[in-house]
Formats: sequence, structure tokens, C-alpha cells
Amino acid sequence: AQTVTQSQPEMSVQEAETVTLSCTYDTSESDYYLFWYKQPPSRQMILVIRQEAYKQQNATENRFSVNFQKAAKSFSLKISDSQLGDAAMYFCAYRSARSGSRLTFGEGTQLTVNP
Amino acid sequence: DGGITQSPKYLFRKEGQNVTLSCEQNLNHDAMYWYRQDPGQGLRLIYYSQIVNDFQKGDIAEGYSVSREKKESFPLTVTSAQKNPTAFYLCASSPRTSPSSYNEQFFGPGTRLTVL
Repeated sequence: AQTVTQSQPEMSVQEAETVTLSCTYDTSESDYYLFWYKQPPSRQMILVIRQEAYKQQNATENRFSVNFQKAAKSFSLKISDSQLGDAAMYFCAYRSARSGSRLTFGEGTQLTVNP
Repeated sequence: DGGITQSPKYLFRKEGQNVTLSCEQNLNHDAMYWYRQDPGQGLRLIYYSQIVNDFQKGDIAEGYSVSREKKESFPLTVTSAQKNPTAFYLCASSPRTSPSSYNEQFFGPGTRLTVL
């Protein structure tokens, strides 16, 4: 079974600075998808960024980018120019390309942005 | 507006009672999911359905039941057999399952269930 590990329960960053959240996963498959979701205090889950395993180029969405290292099974999220609205719980998630649509989530990283 | 609605936002239940959480989507998605979220833990899958009239158990299905009679609706019943039901429950949906596409999941606002 696949597992997703987020080793940082809490992180903090100064406004306008850059922060990187870590995620590692365990799988024997070669074709899969990875996601980062954000859960602000409202608890609404919002998709931040996604990556296909067979694409070597790292995904980027405005201030959010990933560092995808397939061999190391690592999928970290970098937030540049951090804003107060980035404060949230961030979840890393994995989906196998073979086993349907279900996601496996990590335990989350609580990000605090200090003014 | 397209989206996923969950009701109620807050729900209180006495021990020994069954309770049903509602989830409706108008995104024309085929697949729907129920997750449970506890403090300090990630989301754990309870049940999911990839097509009407069919559903599968997730990782923590004991004490829960679901139905999928309509594409738009996927209600979750928390039965008295669930020993620790107090939690935050999230419903999600995604387009038709295809191995070669993202099939990203879209989430509802959640229901907070408290057992008194």
C-alpha cells in the first residue's frame, strides 16, 4: 500500500519570505499523480498544485512550485513571497494511475505566516 | 454556481443514534468520496463511489454506510456501531476515472459531527 509522509507537523515563515514543505511517499508504481492541497481555517480543501510522475518538469502555479524527485520519492512544495493568506494546513496526496481515483493523504503541515 | 454542498455544517448526536450527513454535487462528476478528519491526522477515506448504484469501502468503513442512488448525491450514515464518531467529515467528487488524467478531487465545506 502506498503511504505519504509529511515530516514537518508545523512550519513558520515571515511574510514575503520563501518556505518549503516536505513530502515523501512510498510506492512501487511508476505511473502516478501527486497533489498539494491547502486547508485554511475555514476548513475548505483547495487544490494548490499537481504533478504527473512521468513529467520531469516541475509544476508551477504563480508563487507555488514543486521540487519533484522521482527517484527519491520526494515532492516538496515551495511557496515564494509568502502572504498572510497562505497560512493554512497543507496536505500532500498521492493517486495511483492504476488503482482508480482514490487519494492517499499525508498527515499535514500547519503553516504559520508571521507579519 | 457549480460545486459541492454538505449539510448540516454542525451536527450533534446522542450516543446510540444513527445520523445521516448529506452531500450533493452539481459538477456532473461520476465519482464521490467521504473522508474523516481528526485533529493532527490527515484525511482518511471512509467510502467511495465511482458510478451510480456502486460503492466501495475505504480504509475506515466500519460503523458507516452509504448509498448512491443518484449521480448528484452520496449520503453518509454514521451508525451507532461507530465507536468514536466525533470528527470533521469531508465529501469530495471527481470526474470520470481515467488512468491517464489527474481526476483531481473537489471538496465540500465539511460537516462537524459531535457526539454528546
